[in-house]
Amino acid sequence: EPEVTQTPSHQVTQMGQEVILRCVPISNHLYFYWYRQILGQKVEFLVSFYNNEISEKSEIFDDQFSVERPDGSNFTLKIRSTKLEDSAMYFCASSVQYSNQPQHFGDGTRLSIL
Amino acid sequence: EDQVTQSPEALRLQEGESSSLNCSYTVSGLRGLFWYRQDPGKGPEFLFTLYSAGEEKEKERLKATLTKKESFLHITAPKPEDSATYLCAVQANDYKLSFGAGTTVTVRA
Repeated sequence: EPEVTQTPSHQVTQMGQEVILRCVPISNHLYFYWYRQILGQKVEFLVSFYNNEISEKSEIFDDQFSVERPDGSNFTLKIRSTKLEDSAMYFCASSVQYSNQPQHFGDGTRLSIL
Repeated sequence: EDQVTQSPEALRLQEGESSSLNCSYTVSGLRGLFWYRQDPGKGPEFLFTLYSAGEEKEKERLKATLTKKESFLHITAPKPEDSATYLCAVQANDYKLSFGAGTTVTVRA
């Protein structure tokens, strides 16, 4: 069964450094998403992406964050200058359509900011 | 703002002891309610989508139902492998899923 894959599984970074999290969505999916889950808290929406542009973003997704689909298969989340509070699990998801269709999630990247 | 509340926070069951999980929601214009299973250190795994009140979906020992204000996930005769955190999420008139905090189910043999 096709799945969303994320790399790396764990990223440790010094505060203030840039980090790029990578995702390969399911191949025939057109909508892509990033969510995060701080330890012990709810899964929170960050951003959705369709047709090479952001379709929706949350208040969390400020100017430090950016997303890109650099080629036909990868989808990336960049955090420009990491803060301690960026430590979380980051999940990539994809769906065939944006409405009514399930979003399928990867296993996440655990980001630890020191 | 969309609100999703799940109860109980944790549920400990004996193998074979059936139970139900609750997800109550407040959303304007529900497009879909989704149930996911999450194992430790893993991403949410899709289980069901429910679109309208009265709808029911089943998969093995799990059955999800939907009313206008809440959804239930019934676990019938659970096995230890059903131990996981079950997440409920709603989608309204936008792209994002709004998640509840989850119910952690532990099934003892």
